[in-house]
This record gives sequence, C-alpha cells and structure tokens, in this order.
Amino acid sequence: DGGITQSPKYLFRKEGQNVTLSCEQNLNHDAMYWYRQDPGQGLRLIYYSQIVNDFQKGDIAEGYSVSREKKESFPLTVTSAQKNPTAFYLCASSIQAGGPYEQYFGPGTRLTVT
Amino acid sequence: ILNVEQSPQSLHVQEGDSTNFTCSFPSSNFYALHWYRWETAKSPEALFVMTLNGDEKKKGQISATLNTKEGYSYLYIKGSQPEDSATYLCAFGDSWGKLQFGAGTQVVVTP
Repeated sequence: DGGITQSPKYLFRKEGQNVTLSCEQNLNHDAMYWYRQDPGQGLRLIYYSQIVNDFQKGDIAEGYSVSREKKESFPLTVTSAQKNPTAFYLCASSIQAGGPYEQYFGPGTRLTVT
Repeated sequence: ILNVEQSPQSLHVQEGDSTNFTCSFPSSNFYALHWYRWETAKSPEALFVMTLNGDEKKKGQISATLNTKEGYSYLYIKGSQPEDSATYLCAFGDSWGKLQFGAGTQVVVTP
C-alpha cells in the first residue's frame, strides 16, 4: 500500500529545542516537499528536493533545515531559530519535480512549541 | 511569492444543490493550476492538474475550468452530497513543480 507517512501526528517541544519531523514515502517519487499551514493561510513551501542529495529553499526556509540522504526520506528539522514554529506541517511528494505532476500528501504533524 | 486567491472563504450548501467557487492567479508565465480536496482528518488529495487555456476537467460530479488569459479557474460541484464537505485548495504551479497555494474554500454540505 503506497503512500507517505509522517510521524508523529502530534509533537510538543519546549522553546529553544530543535525538533525533527519525519517524512517517508514508498511511491518511488523523485521530488519531495515540506509545507507549513497556519490558520487562514494557504500552504507555504518550506523546502523541496528534486532528487537525492539535493534540496532548495522554498518561500519560508528560515529557521528550518532538511536532508535527503535517501530517496524515501526527507526529514525536516525545526530549529530554535524559527520564531513561530507552532504550526501544522505537511510533507508531499511527486513523481518528479520538473512538470505539472500532482503532489501526494502525508497526514501531517502538528507541532506545538511552548 | 505569487498571489493566489480563492473566494469565497467558505460556503454552506444544501444537499442536492450545485455550487461553484473561484481561484484567481497571475495570468503571466502560466504553467499549471492544481486543485486539491482536503477533508477533515485526512490528507489533501489531488483533483485536477490543468495546463491549457480553456481546459475543462471532470471527476464524478466535480468539474473545473481554466482561463489562463484572465487568470482564473472555477470549480463546480453538481448535486452536492455531504461527502463533498471539504476544503478545496487551488495552487499555481511552476515548471519546477513548486506550488503556491490559495487559502482554500471550505464547503459544508448539510443534509
């Protein structure tokens, strides 16, 4: 059963701590994406990766970091430098980056930082 | 960052009624327009990816049209059912596969 998994569903952290959100896909997709959702706003792109060992900043990359060491995995680290980390985070993938391909989304992780 | 706007923000529909709503986007440098349906407690799911001016796509009772010259797309739901209740997202796609999302239109279908 192919798809995208994100864990955990809910995550709580203290301010000043880094936290890593997991994203795994078994769709054999080349491209992967991280989005953030805040109330009343559209999904905003944090980082994207077109291929293994390559990634680019999206529109709101400050305070975040990613890695893409394996095709299946694209973890997102929310660092203490991110000023407003509390949000809902969605991971997505598409068969490849360069083209009008639909994106497949995971179930999301809700991060709360206090 | 491109400006993708959806209206209305929310709407309530009686079961069996039809409805439509709008996505507007920059008309220059058009590449692709995506529509996604996002049901509560689920992941967003792709409905359509549209690339050509005048394109019309249909999936069941949901259809979409595209006007790239004036920068808008309509999504239509014919004979709404409670299971059509969801937030409908549109997104402007570029040639790199990056998407700029609108804030969504929340549709509530009441029996």
